[in-house]
Amino acid sequence: AQSVTQLDSQVPVFEEAPVELRCNYSSSVSVYLFWYVQYPNQGLQLLLKYLSGSTLVKSINGFEAEFNKSQTSFHLRKPSVHISDTAEYFCAVREYNAGNMLTFGGGTRLMVKP
Amino acid sequence: KAGVTQTPRYLIKTRGQQVTLSCSPISGHRSVSWYQQTPGQGLQFLFEYFSETQRNKGNFPGRFSGRQFSNSRSEMNVSTLELGDSALYLCASSSTSGGEYEQYFGPGTRLTVT
Repeated sequence: AQSVTQLDSQVPVFEEAPVELRCNYSSSVSVYLFWYVQYPNQGLQLLLKYLSGSTLVKSINGFEAEFNKSQTSFHLRKPSVHISDTAEYFCAVREYNAGNMLTFGGGTRLMVKP
Repeated sequence: KAGVTQTPRYLIKTRGQQVTLSCSPISGHRSVSWYQQTPGQGLQFLFEYFSETQRNKGNFPGRFSGRQFSNSRSEMNVSTLELGDSALYLCASSSTSGGEYEQYFGPGTRLTVT
């Protein structure tokens, strides 16, 4: 069975500073990788995904993540955060042949301070 | 295109009662997945329905059940409610099951069991 570990439960950072949210996964088969963001009292929104091809994937709002197969990691980075990035971020994996079943990490609360 | 809708948004029930939650997927989507989100256990997969058939099931007791109708709308039912069932229940829809298609999440139903 697959598992996902987000190493930091909370990450405080000042506005305009860079940030990295770490995600490691374990799976015996090939997986798709995702980052979702959840704002208070809302559902999950897909931030970015790795399906195949280039290991560096980018979102429209400045986030990027790199798939590292040897280290089984999919860390999320942003070079300069904004107050509006304050939210909870979830890393998730989905096995190729497991339908739409997502396995989530425990989440990382990003707190951007002015 | 309207997003995923979940009803009701908030619900308060008493231990021992049963509850039914509803999810209407995005028009044209045939897959609906359900997740439970709690502070202690995080986001956990409950089940996925595709074309009225259960495709996958998570590790939850038989008190948790679901179904999908011919119009792809889905319901989940929890019988004999326990305090630990208090959670945010999220559903997600996708055009198909598996593959490289994105899942879209609804805002969730917050269930409180007293």
